[in-house]
Amino acid sequence: DVKVTQSSRYLVKRTGEKVFLECVQDMDHENMFWYRQDPGLGLRLIYFSYDVKMKEKGDIPEGYSVSREKKERFSLILESASTNQTSMYLCASNRGWETQYFGPGTRLLVL
Amino acid sequence: AQSVTQLGSHVSVSEGALVLLRCNYSSSVPPYLFWYVQYPNQGLQLLLKYTSAATLVKGINGFEAEFKKSETSFHLTKPSAHMRDAAEYFCAVSDSRQAGTALIFGKGTTLSVSS
Repeated sequence: DVKVTQSSRYLVKRTGEKVFLECVQDMDHENMFWYRQDPGLGLRLIYFSYDVKMKEKGDIPEGYSVSREKKERFSLILESASTNQTSMYLCASNRGWETQYFGPGTRLLVL
Repeated sequence: AQSVTQLGSHVSVSEGALVLLRCNYSSSVPPYLFWYVQYPNQGLQLLLKYTSAATLVKGINGFEAEFKKSETSFHLTKPSAHMRDAAEYFCAVSDSRQAGTALIFGKGTTLSVSS
């Protein structure tokens, strides 16, 4: 069965902290994505990766960076967390033009 | 630029009533279109997708959607709502800008079902 896992379901951090969100997929997908979900705004793409060590900016990359050292793992990094980054973060993966599979999400609160 | 508009941020129906969730898209290329559902505190789950085959697409849980190119629409329907259908629904279009086939999502429609 297809599986995308995210390291934490809930996370509370302080302003200015460096935050790592981890995503792992077990489907050998080449594409992986990080989205941010906010009420009334839907999902917005932060970054995606189409291969190991490759990354592309999405629509809202400011304040974020990513790392993909292994095919199955895609990390989202908040270099210096701010309160406006309080949100739900969703990871997804797919192959080519096929269906994207989503993880359960990480709800991040920055105080 | 591609975009997705979901008409109505909140739709309420009675159990057994028809469900209609509206989605319009704009795309300069033939689109792939998707409907996802999100139950509380969960990730997104694919309901159905259109990939240029049949225009009437059947999905899971009794949902279906019809691709109408002339109206640039991809509305989601279900003949008879169940309580378990209460969730948030997202329409999405494939993003042709992105080599990795990212999706552009609508803002979502919350479906409430009353008994």
